Amino acid sequence: QKEVEQNSGPLSVPEGAIASLNCTYSDRGSQSFFWYRQYSGKSPELIMSIYSNGDKEDGRFTAQLNKASQYVSLLIRDSQPSDSATYLCAVSDNTDKLIFGTGTRLQVFP
Amino acid sequence: ETGVTQTPRHLVMGMTNKKSLKCEQHLGHNAMYWYKQSAKKPLELMFVYSLEERVENNSVPSRFSPECPNSSHLFLHLHTLQPEDSALYLCASSQAPGTGDEQYFGPGTRLTVT
Repeated sequence: QKEVEQNSGPLSVPEGAIASLNCTYSDRGSQSFFWYRQYSGKSPELIMSIYSNGDKEDGRFTAQLNKASQYVSLLIRDSQPSDSATYLCAVSDNTDKLIFGTGTRLQVFP
Repeated sequence: ETGVTQTPRHLVMGMTNKKSLKCEQHLGHNAMYWYKQSAKKPLELMFVYSLEERVENNSVPSRFSPECPNSSHLFLHLHTLQPEDSALYLCASSQAPGTGDEQYFGPGTRLTVT
């Protein structure tokens, strides 16, 4: 059974701080990794994809991948209250199947 | 219209009803997906269509019947559902099937079975 594990949270950070979200996965054959943001009552929105070891930066978001340790993380710099949402980690072995974690709820307080 | 659209956005149906969910993607993608999202559970892949052919049926009960008439449209036909089928049903699409490509989601249909 391929699994993706995330701490359900909530992770509470003050406005302006760095939020760090972590995800581990069980399938060593995983090749593609994604972070989605899901606001309450809304659908998931893709915010980052990463395919090779290391860091990938996009604005205030940085995705980090370590295939040897089977973890992927998302850093959000200068966190804003509007970042408050559930963040879903998803992995793929380059088939059509995405395996999702249950998500980490992030709360950014003013 | 842009992105991935879904109709209806909300649906309440009895266990003996028959209804259909519709999804349309305006991205020129070649693969479309149905997912189910229940409270406290990860998104569950239900069906995958690649170039209009079904390539994945993730052990979904036969009361859910997908249809993909072309690469832009996807339907999910529902009949004799159970209350435990109440969930958010999400459609997604991706450009390159079978490659682990990015998937983009529609807004979802919130289904309540009474």
